[in-house]
Amino acid sequence: DIVMTQSPDSLAVSLGERATINCKSSQSVLFSSNNKNHLAWYQQKPGQPPKLLIYWASARESGVPDRFSGSGSGTDFTLTISSLQAEDVAVYYCQQYYSTSYTFGQGTKLEIK
Amino acid sequence: EVQLVESGGDLVQPGGSLRLSCAASGFTFSNYAMTWVRQAPGKGLEWVATLTGSGGTTYYADSVKGRFTISRDNSKNTLFLQMNSLRAEDTAVYYCAKGDTVPSSFDPWGQGTLVTVSS
Repeated sequence: DIVMTQSPDSLAVSLGERATINCKSSQSVLFSSNNKNHLAWYQQKPGQPPKLLIYWASARESGVPDRFSGSGSGTDFTLTISSLQAEDVAVYYCQQYYSTSYTFGQGTKLEIK
Repeated sequence: EVQLVESGGDLVQPGGSLRLSCAASGFTFSNYAMTWVRQAPGKGLEWVATLTGSGGTTYYADSVKGRFTISRDNSKNTLFLQMNSLRAEDTAVYYCAKGDTVPSSFDPWGQGTLVTVSS
């Protein structure tokens, strides 16, 4: 299975500041047939199910604020929140869908400093 | 609006069985792969199983292979997860989620149903 490793495990950022979460896969998730990175980011707030934020590593899901952006390719990926808002407090997960044995990162807990 | 509503979660003894359901609405159910993902209390997300839109192909995590069966009734827009030989480590909230083709990301997710395996 492809192992997804996120860093850091937790992060405290001041309101209005930038938050950056990293995700590394144990093998490339760049699909040669479509030249796309099969990597998604989810946000999970307490007591709620996960919500898709980013797919294809950098495509923002409809309705997701543009302060959320995804970048990276191959094995190294980043989720950036450009200006942290109070409602962004959550746990964030990356997920690979390169293999049908889907795997998630362990999660990064984002809090307000 | 796409809606997914899980049901069937309960307290069950180790070795027991349980069948979860996920009622879907707001989209052409048979056109989309569907997936179960679980989350143990206070833990991260673990993919469990995926089924193609036609129901012809299944995919399972090694941790549930041979014990769990994913199925669907496209005439009733419902996804199922039959869970047998349950273990304490199967205790989790089980979410169903809509996919696209296989493989794909998952969007949206249902609210989840809690399965507790304990004597």
